[in-house]
Amino acid sequence: EPEVTQTPSHQVTQMGQEVILRCVPISNHLYFYWYRQILGQKVEFLVSFYNNEISEKSEIFDDQFSVERPDGSNFTLKIRSTKLEDSAMYFCASSGPSGGAHTGELFFGEGSRLTVL
Amino acid sequence: AQSVTQLDSHVSVSEGTPVLLRCNYSSSYSPSLFWYVQHPNKGLQLLLKYTSAATLVKGINGFEAEFKKSETSFHLTKPSAHMSDAAEYFCVVRGYSSASKIIFGSGTRLSIRP
Repeated sequence: EPEVTQTPSHQVTQMGQEVILRCVPISNHLYFYWYRQILGQKVEFLVSFYNNEISEKSEIFDDQFSVERPDGSNFTLKIRSTKLEDSAMYFCASSGPSGGAHTGELFFGEGSRLTVL
Repeated sequence: AQSVTQLDSHVSVSEGTPVLLRCNYSSSYSPSLFWYVQHPNKGLQLLLKYTSAATLVKGINGFEAEFKKSETSFHLTKPSAHMSDAAEYFCVVRGYSSASKIIFGSGTRLSIRP
């Protein structure tokens, strides 16, 4: 069964360092997402991506964050200068094999746990 | 705009008894609704989804949910809880637009007593 894969599963970094989280969405999906879950809190939407551009982003997704689909298979989330409050589990998701189907479910990866010291 | 409210942060039931996890939604358009489960240190797994077909939706592991438009609810049920059902459950709403955010509820932690 196709699945979304994320790397690394866990990353520890120093405050102020750049971090890149990688995701390989399901191959025929067209919509891509990043969510995060701070420990003990709800899952929060960060950004959605379609047709090589951001389609929607939340207030959390400020100038420190960026996303990219560099090679047609990977979907990355970059945090330019990490802060303590960026410590969270980051989930990548993908959906929709066709551009017209917007009611489909999201398929999530197992997450990348980011710890900022 | 859409939102979703999970009415209970924690539900505890005995093994073999029914499970009810409550979810209410708000959406400007006909929503799609989902329940996801998250086991400890694991990702999010889809349990079931409603996308304007049958209002009673059956999912994996014996779970089902009923979409009630008049009550704006999408409660998750299971007739008989199993120890392996202990997890966090998220109700999720998705509005019908090309760039909708998918909104998560705050989650309900289900505990199963032996």
